[in-house]
Amino acid sequence: EPEVTQTPSHQVTQMGQEVILRCVPISNHLYFYWYRQILGQKVEFLVSFYNNEISEKSEIFDDQFSVERPDGSNFTLKIRSTKLEDSAMYFCASSEYPDLDEQYFGPGTRLTVT
Amino acid sequence: AQKVTQAQTEISVVEKEDVTLDCVYETRDTTYYLFWYKQPPSGELVFLIRRNSFDEQNEISGRYSWNFQKSTSSFNFTITASQVVDSAVYFCALSATHMDSNYQLIWGAGTKLIIKP
Repeated sequence: EPEVTQTPSHQVTQMGQEVILRCVPISNHLYFYWYRQILGQKVEFLVSFYNNEISEKSEIFDDQFSVERPDGSNFTLKIRSTKLEDSAMYFCASSEYPDLDEQYFGPGTRLTVT
Repeated sequence: AQKVTQAQTEISVVEKEDVTLDCVYETRDTTYYLFWYKQPPSGELVFLIRRNSFDEQNEISGRYSWNFQKSTSSFNFTITASQVVDSAVYFCALSATHMDSNYQLIWGAGTKLIIKP
């Protein structure tokens, strides 16, 4: 069964450093998403992406964040200058159709900023 | 406003008991989808069910069942004869059209379910 994959599973970085979280969505999916979950809290939407551009973004997704689909398979989330409060689990998701379709989630990347 | 409320922060039951997780949602849209996801201790999000707003039939999948009631804006999840492996955090989520923000899921805070042997 096709699945969304994410690398790395755990990333530790120092405050102020740039990090890139990588995701490989399901191959025939066209819509991509990033969500964040601070430990013990609810899942929060960050951004959705379609046709090589951002469709929607939340208040969390400020200028420190960017997304990119550098090639036909990868979908990346970059945090330019990490802060302690960026420590969270980051989930990538993809769907075949937008809006109401089921989003398939990757296993997540745990980001720890020290 | 779009909102999902899971009032039960944590539930603890003994194995083989039935347990119901509550989910109440708010939306002004007539077309929307409701979801349940399971997050086991390993951290991944596991899709359980999607239900559209026009289908109020209850659904059963093995030991899992879902009760969707538009009149009370609720989409409750029941596990029958619970097992230790059911221990996880369960999230209810809403996706609606014509939202102020499309293309996203609105999540509840989650209910931590602990099944004791």
